[in-house]
This record gives sequence, structure tokens and C-alpha cells, in this order.
Amino acid sequence: AQSVTQPDIHITVSEGASLELRCNYSYGATPYLFWYVQSPGQGLQLLLKYFSGDTLVQGIKGFEAEFKRSQSSFNLRKPSVHWSDAAEYFCAGHGSSNTGKLIFGQGTTLQVKP
Amino acid sequence: NAGVTQTPKFRVLKTGQSMTLLCAQDMNHEYMYWYRQDPGMGLRLIHYSVGEGTTAKGEVPDGYNVSRLKKQNFLLGLESAAPSQTSVYFCASSNIPGTKEAFFGQGTRLTVV
Repeated sequence: AQSVTQPDIHITVSEGASLELRCNYSYGATPYLFWYVQSPGQGLQLLLKYFSGDTLVQGIKGFEAEFKRSQSSFNLRKPSVHWSDAAEYFCAGHGSSNTGKLIFGQGTTLQVKP
Repeated sequence: NAGVTQTPKFRVLKTGQSMTLLCAQDMNHEYMYWYRQDPGMGLRLIHYSVGEGTTAKGEVPDGYNVSRLKKQNFLLGLESAAPSQTSVYFCASSNIPGTKEAFFGQGTRLTVV
């Protein structure tokens, strides 16, 4: 079955430190992959997306993600975290055919220490 | 530039009551989705629609019904609310077959007592 998994429920980093949030997917073919961010009490905002081509994709707010087919992963990274990055992050996947299902991982809550 | 609008934003129901959540989008998207968000479980797909007049079940459809009579609207119904349906509900629409990016509403916080 198609699935998206985020192994880390909660991550704490110090402000200025680097960040990597993990995402693993299970799809028959290469899916379309997304990272969304949700601030408390808010809806979801798209950070970046991967469809094909260059496996390193750049997003908003200084985030990037790398698609690794061999590891079935699409990890989100940021070189230097800011206090305003504290939020919940969701990885999501959509099959390459237009079947309609957009599936989310369980989410990772990021806490940023001063 | 409304995007995706959900109504209502908050609601408290008694067990057994019914209600309908409305989602409206103004981006002419074919695909629309209803999710529920619970702590530690991410967003789980309830039902979705790939076009006007069509609906399909997602991961957790039991206890919910949906209708897509107009392309811009996607309604989520609870016929007999249960405390287990206490959650935050999000609607989204998606630009398929284009970028497949989903746009989300601000959510509806539903409490069933």
C-alpha cells in the first residue's frame, strides 16, 4: 500500500544549528513528494515539492529536500534554523498517476531552543 | 484571493447530532479532499473527489459522507456525531493534473460531547 512515514515525532534543535527531518515513502513508482509546514492553529503551507529531474529541490524559507530513490527518502534540510521555524512539518506523497490520493506522514514537531 | 474557505471554524456538537462542513474553493481545481488531524496521527484522508459529481473513500471514511454537487464545493457530513469524531478537519483542493500542489483551508475545530 502507498504510504509516507516520518520516523521522528519530535525534534529539538538549537537556534543556528542545522536541521534534517526524515521522510520515507512507499510507492510502486516515483511519487510526487511534498513538504508542508503548519504553525500552531494554522492551515498548511507548502514548503517545496519534487516531481522529477534534479533530486535536490529548493523551497521557501531557506529549506531544501533531497530525493533519494535508493533509500526511498525525501528528507528536509535547513542549514541554520531560526526560532520562527518552530512548527509541525508534514511530508506528503501523491502517486504519479492521477488517482487522487494525497497521503500524509504523521508529522514532526520541531522545537527550537534559544 | 480567497483560495479554500471552510465553514464553520468552530463547532460543538452533542453525541448523535448531525452537521455539515462546507468547503469552497475559487481556483477551479478538479480535486478536493477532506482530512482529519489528530495529535500524533498526522492528517488522515477521509474522502476525496476527483471532479464534480464524483467522490471516493480515503483512509478513514466510516461515519462520514460527502457530496460534490458543484465543482467549487465539497461538503462533509456527519450523520450521527460521536466523541471519536472530535478533531480538526481540513479541506484542500489540488491542481491536478498540473503541479499537484494542494491548497488548504484554515480548518474546522469540532468537539463532540
